[in-house]
Amino acid sequence: KNEVEQSPQNLTAQEGEFITINCSYSVGISALHWLQQHPGGGIVSLFMLSSGKKKHGRLIATINIQEKHSSLHITASHPRDSAVYICAVRNTGNQFYFGTGTSLTVIP
Amino acid sequence: EAGVTQFPSHSVIEKGQTVTLRCDPISGHDNLYWYRRVMGKEIKFLLHFVKESKQDESGMPNNRFLAERTGGTYSTLKVQPAELEDSGVYFCASSQGAGGRADTQYFGPGTRLTVL
Repeated sequence: KNEVEQSPQNLTAQEGEFITINCSYSVGISALHWLQQHPGGGIVSLFMLSSGKKKHGRLIATINIQEKHSSLHITASHPRDSAVYICAVRNTGNQFYFGTGTSLTVIP
Repeated sequence: EAGVTQFPSHSVIEKGQTVTLRCDPISGHDNLYWYRRVMGKEIKFLLHFVKESKQDESGMPNNRFLAERTGGTYSTLKVQPAELEDSGVYFCASSQGAGGRADTQYFGPGTRLTVL
């Protein structure tokens, strides 16, 4: 079993829809990252969280340390949001674990 | 400011050959990480440098993999001899590492390694 589980694995949405991607982890962490990878592109770090909530434009990331769960929300989704979203955690020993990613397709 | 760069972008070699991947981190970043994504699997941590020292190499799969960071600048990852299961995308990332916001990792574009 992977230390980081993401759901769903694949997601198709209509433009304008509100999107949620979930991440659960089983290790004690010092930080959680949400990453984005566009088709054929490199990996971009969206958020680094250790508690609470962060917002950047239409993207919102939340984390619940007690429940070992984080969510990435996209409001008013757009086709350019189509990408693979990866959840990664850094444990207290500074090791990193990655989820398998959620492939998002936003249809115009 | 230049981001993390990796070379080559794609390498195709035969089983048994040697390949060396290079990563140039963002200037001034003491922390450098190597990761690997094997086809269909999640990204796996390989190792972490702080300047020229290996902070954590627990993710290195076996002794066919050798990572170096001479002088604390760029890093190389050598696979010798390469096996079929080494195929995948090798990512490098760097961070300042002073804690808090400075721990954000910046990823390179990756090197796609294909072993035939």
